[in-house]
Amino acid sequence: QVQLQESGPGLVKPSETLSLTCTVSGGSINTYYWSWIRQPPGKGLEWIAFISYSGSTYYNPSLNSRVTISVDTSKNQFSLKLSSVTAADTAVYYCARLVAVTSWFDPWGQGTRVTVSS
Amino acid sequence: SYELSQPPSVSVSPGQTASITCSGDKLGDKYASWYQQRPGQSPVVVIYHDSKRPSGIPERFSGSNSGNTATLTISGTQAMDEADYYCQAWDSSTVIFGGGTKLTVL
Repeated sequence: QVQLQESGPGLVKPSETLSLTCTVSGGSINTYYWSWIRQPPGKGLEWIAFISYSGSTYYNPSLNSRVTISVDTSKNQFSLKLSSVTAADTAVYYCARLVAVTSWFDPWGQGTRVTVSS
Repeated sequence: SYELSQPPSVSVSPGQTASITCSGDKLGDKYASWYQQRPGQSPVVVIYHDSKRPSGIPERFSGSNSGNTATLTISGTQAMDEADYYCQAWDSSTVIFGGGTKLTVL
């Protein structure tokens, strides 16, 4: 079965760029859609972006200007870059699979905690 | 922008039925999904397309969606069902999550 694993720095300085990678195992990334979702400490879920295996991208309008999502089919990975981070970007970041646009997220990765602090 | 509203908390006694609502404008015209998130764990889908249950999810979980409200119902609630629950829908190609409901089984 498909499994997702997030990786990246756990600490990012304010104004810098947060970079995370999600590695897909147990299946090919060359189908479906792939997404990033985050959860600030003690708060709810916030969708960030998703991308198709062919590279079509969709972004949360509230984060659009700072977010880039990309896919590397040769490595079975997709990535997130969030620029100009502030303390408000401190969260657990999850990657997840979408069966299709307007579908549901399943499965999810275990999440990676990112703290923005100097 | 489109919003989904959930009650912050719901309490239920073991063995009883818990209902968690999710409200949004004409939500019944969209598909709703529900996620369970136990403390320290990643979310897991328990209902998709309003009322479909993924394999491995107990039959006590059910869903409905009509008008402006989607409802997650847990029949015969067990202690292991204590968790945060999030509804999710789509507004065009944008994903919307509800604010989450903490279900307490006491």
